[in-house]
Amino acid sequence: KQEVTQIPAALSVPEGENLVLNCSFTDSAIYNLQWFRQDPGKGLTSLLLIQSSQREQTSGRLNASLDKSSGRSTLYIAASQPGDSATYLCAVRRSYGGSQGNLIFGKGTKLSVKP
Amino acid sequence: DAGVTQSPTHLIKTRGQQVTLRCSPKSGHDTVSWYQQALGQGPQFIFQYYEEEERQRGNFPDRFSGHQFPNYSSELNVNALLLGDSALYLCASSLRYRDRAPSGANVLTFGAGSRLTVL
Repeated sequence: KQEVTQIPAALSVPEGENLVLNCSFTDSAIYNLQWFRQDPGKGLTSLLLIQSSQREQTSGRLNASLDKSSGRSTLYIAASQPGDSATYLCAVRRSYGGSQGNLIFGKGTKLSVKP
Repeated sequence: DAGVTQSPTHLIKTRGQQVTLRCSPKSGHDTVSWYQQALGQGPQFIFQYYEEEERQRGNFPDRFSGHQFPNYSSELNVNALLLGDSALYLCASSLRYRDRAPSGANVLTFGAGSRLTVL
């Protein structure tokens, strides 16, 4: 059974710091891995999607890496801003029996960036 | 271009009642997936609808049922509500076959959710 774990559960940093969020998964047979952002009481916004054959993806100040063999992904946020404050969720799509809409999520990391 | 819209945004029910939540997918999308997100937890996959049929289902009891209409909109029904059904219910839409989508159009898109409280 695929399980996704995110560490830490919560993180508070001062503005301007670079930070890393971690995601691990128990079954390396994934189709892809996706990072989402969720603001309080809101839906999810896709940030980055990494296919199983890729090692990393970048978008602006965000960089996500994937090491499928070790079952790990990291989300790197450069020069953090108060507007980055949100919960960040990691989700995997299984290679077998999964689909684009059938994802397995971690519990998320709640990030707070202090001005 | 409207994204995924869900209704109602908030609702309160009592144990044993039934609830219907609604979702309109993003324009151009034909597949709808439903998730349950309890407080402090990640979303859990309930089921997915395509061509008006349930195609995949997560580990949820039969009290959870759904429907997809010809215009691709969808409903989630929960019968015999329990306190533990209190959660944010998220709808996500996508296009089933990627090769039919213009570049960048086939992104899994989530709605803002329906917050259900069971008393």
